[in-house]
This record gives sequence, structure tokens and C-alpha cells, in this order.
Amino acid sequence: DAKTTQPTSMDCAEGRAANLPCNHSTISGNEYVYWYRQIHSQGPQYIIHGLKNNETNEMASLIITEDRKSSTLILPHATLRDTAVYYCIVRGGNEKLTFGTGTRLTIIP
Amino acid sequence: EAGVAQSPRYKIIEKRQSVAFWCNPISGHATLYWYQQILGQGPKLLIQFQNNGVVDDSQLPKDRFSAERLKGVDSTLKIQPAKLEDSAVYLCASRTWGDITYGYTFGSGTRLTVV
Repeated sequence: DAKTTQPTSMDCAEGRAANLPCNHSTISGNEYVYWYRQIHSQGPQYIIHGLKNNETNEMASLIITEDRKSSTLILPHATLRDTAVYYCIVRGGNEKLTFGTGTRLTIIP
Repeated sequence: EAGVAQSPRYKIIEKRQSVAFWCNPISGHATLYWYQQILGQGPKLLIQFQNNGVVDDSQLPKDRFSAERLKGVDSTLKIQPAKLEDSAVYLCASRTWGDITYGYTFGSGTRLTVV
């Protein structure tokens, strides 16, 4: 599976949009981009995934660049409950999720 | 639908003792995973089951760790004997094989402390 690079930590003001970047320059054509988050003392929670088109659901939006080498997770109106570690994962056909160290997002009141 | 159930929630043991963790996946989910998460790191896959068969156990320390899923439903992960470096959260996850439209569902994990 392709490797991903994320910033170690980010802050965002409550009520503003949180934009979390991820680089996956070695991604191949059949690999999906998944985003998970992990709130303290809980298991990782699925947020969204995509292949090449932008995706939106009730939790977030996923913007994937045309060359697919990077993506951005957008939380449109961040709340204090969005404070968590966010993982960007590229998954191929082997059904496995390989986690990196993620981005620690802190929402500031 | 009910989530992935794990027990116990916490466990403290002395080194060289044995310990077992239990996981009950979401009903109908054929694929089950055990992950180890050391403090400050992302989860690391230990073993993947498809029904009651092992698909991938390449990162399972087989000299001390074992896992089984006898009837293709519940699973247990055992450590014997435990070492200090086994202190971590052990996460279980499940999903439907080949279904890319849904993400993996994780349990809340078992926090193991080896002293």
C-alpha cells in the first residue's frame, strides 16, 4: 500500500473549517484514500473514503487532486468534539488498513 | 446495528503471565482484524481472519502471541508469556469481505498494562 505523509499536529478555531492535508505521491490507480479519526480512549472511526472524485457525507468532505497525489479532509464547521487524531490511509486490494501516525487536530474554543 | 464488542476493557498483569482478549464482531462480517496500538503510535495490524481462516499473520509475534476464530464469529487473542513491551491497546475490527463502500468498524479496545 502507498505511504502517506501528514502534519503531526494542527489547531483550528471552533466553528471554522478544518482542512487536513495528506500526501500520497506513490498512490496507484486502484488504491482508495480513507480517512479515520480516533478520539481519546476509543477505537478509530470511519469518516470518508474516495478513489478519484471528491466525496461528501454528513461528517466531512474529501478533496482529491487530479493527479491523486494528495488529498484534503474538510470538516466544515469544527466543534470541540472534533478534537482527535486523524489518519489518512491508502488502501489497495489486500483489504488491509495500514495506519501511520496521523495528525493530532485540536479545536480551540 | 450493534458495534464490535471487546472485553475486558482494561487488564493489568505482571510480566511472564498470560492474558487473553475477546472480540465479537458485527453480525455477518466475515473479515476480522486484530491491531496493536502502542501509546503515541497508529494501530499496527497483527492478524487478519477471513471467516475462520487466517489471511495474514505476518506481523504477529508467533513465539508469544496466538489468535483463533474457531467458528468464524468470535475471536480471541492470547499473549503468553507477556513482556513489558506488550503494553498497548489491542483493537479488534470487522468488515464485510470485498465491500469497499463501507469502512472498517473498530471496537473500543482492551488496554493492557504489563508491569
